[in-house]
Amino acid sequence: NAGVTQTPKFQVLKTGQSMTLQCAQDMNHNSMYWYRQDPGMGLRLIYYSASEGTTDKGEVPNGYNVSRLNKREFSLRLESAAPSQTSVYFCASSDFSTAGSPQHFGDGTRLSIL
Amino acid sequence: DQQVKQNSPSLSVQEGRISILNCDYTNSMFDYFLWYKKYPAEGPTFLISISSIKDKNEDGRFTVFLNKSAKHLSLHIVPSQPGDSAVYFCAASERGRRALTFGSGTRLQVQP
Repeated sequence: NAGVTQTPKFQVLKTGQSMTLQCAQDMNHNSMYWYRQDPGMGLRLIYYSASEGTTDKGEVPNGYNVSRLNKREFSLRLESAAPSQTSVYFCASSDFSTAGSPQHFGDGTRLSIL
Repeated sequence: DQQVKQNSPSLSVQEGRISILNCDYTNSMFDYFLWYKKYPAEGPTFLISISSIKDKNEDGRFTVFLNKSAKHLSLHIVPSQPGDSAVYFCAASERGRRALTFGSGTRLQVQP
């Protein structure tokens, strides 16, 4: 079972470059999420998609855009990368129809912006 | 303003002993609490959860306790094993909302 798959696993960008992080899940979950994790901090929500066709801002949305392409795929785009966006990015999915349903995470994309 | 706090960045215990990881929260609207385990270069893995209507949930070696009046929860691992060495994150969700709010994590090291 693949679960949640993120691509790429690593990426180095120069300031001002753009990039799209890809995420796909095969668990038929309706909700998907993007988080970032910085040293000494927990995961912080960037954007989420409650269901296909909807997206909402999380705690730290500035500098990012998202697209829920279909039920399986949820992408995160950096239009003009900045060094402050150097982080590890995690995608997750969940079945929100069950109360307390846990989110399932991918293995992350490690992004460095020079 | 951290709504979920894990005040101990690290914890070291001997194999076979109990590990106790703590978490405090400030938001009274949280109704589900979850613990995740994370190994290096991997994503967080769900471990155990508890609803706010309960005060204890047990799954094998893992037990989570919730004290709502103190806004405190703890994860007990008994007995601890070297494979339990990882970073543990406490997370919480509000009723009707999908987002999780995470603590900053506690690194557990279980010494053989």
